[in-house]
Amino acid sequence: GQNIDQPTEMTATEGAIVQINCTYQTSGFNGLFWYQQHAGEAPTFLSYNVLDGLEEKGRFSSFLSRSKGYSYLLLKELQMKDSASYLCAVRDSNYQLIWGAGTKLIIKP
Amino acid sequence: IAGITQAPTSQILAAGRRMTLRCTQDMRHNAMYWYRQDLGLGLRLIHYSNTAGTTGKGEVPDGYSVSRANTDDFPLTLASAVPSQTSVYFCASAQAGGTGELFFGEGSRLTVL
Repeated sequence: GQNIDQPTEMTATEGAIVQINCTYQTSGFNGLFWYQQHAGEAPTFLSYNVLDGLEEKGRFSSFLSRSKGYSYLLLKELQMKDSASYLCAVRDSNYQLIWGAGTKLIIKP
Repeated sequence: IAGITQAPTSQILAAGRRMTLRCTQDMRHNAMYWYRQDLGLGLRLIHYSNTAGTTGKGEVPDGYSVSRANTDDFPLTLASAVPSQTSVYFCASAQAGGTGELFFGEGSRLTVL
């Protein structure tokens, strides 16, 4: 079966750095996405990786290793507004998205 | 304002009633999707449409139907609602090509009693 694993919840301190991991087993691979979802709101797109390596976008970076079935989202200089759930999703060989359950990130002052 | 609009935002429904959740996008995206989101679970695909006039079944299609008469609209119908269909429903769209990132509506919170 297809599976996306990510931690249920993480806590970090304002101003610090946090890394949210995602491992996957899917039927084929056609890209990995990270979305941010604030409580009660819709998910919004953060990043996309299809090749191995690091993609940097401001305070957020996303890394992919296809051989290990592994990705992480790195958030730097954490702000209180970064408190949200972070969703990892993989597009499989049928170009359908398989979603993880999300990681709830709690930022403390 | 460009984007996806869902209606209603929230609805309480008696079991056995018929309900249609509306979804309209003005970005001229080819593909549209309906997901449900339940606590502790990832987004689960109900139905999708790759282009106007075509639809397909997702992971959890039972009890739901969709239509795609034109590019902009993609309504989701619950023919006879059951309590297990209590969930938050998200409509999303994506343009073919590029990364295929999804753009989500604000969600419809449905409670079936």
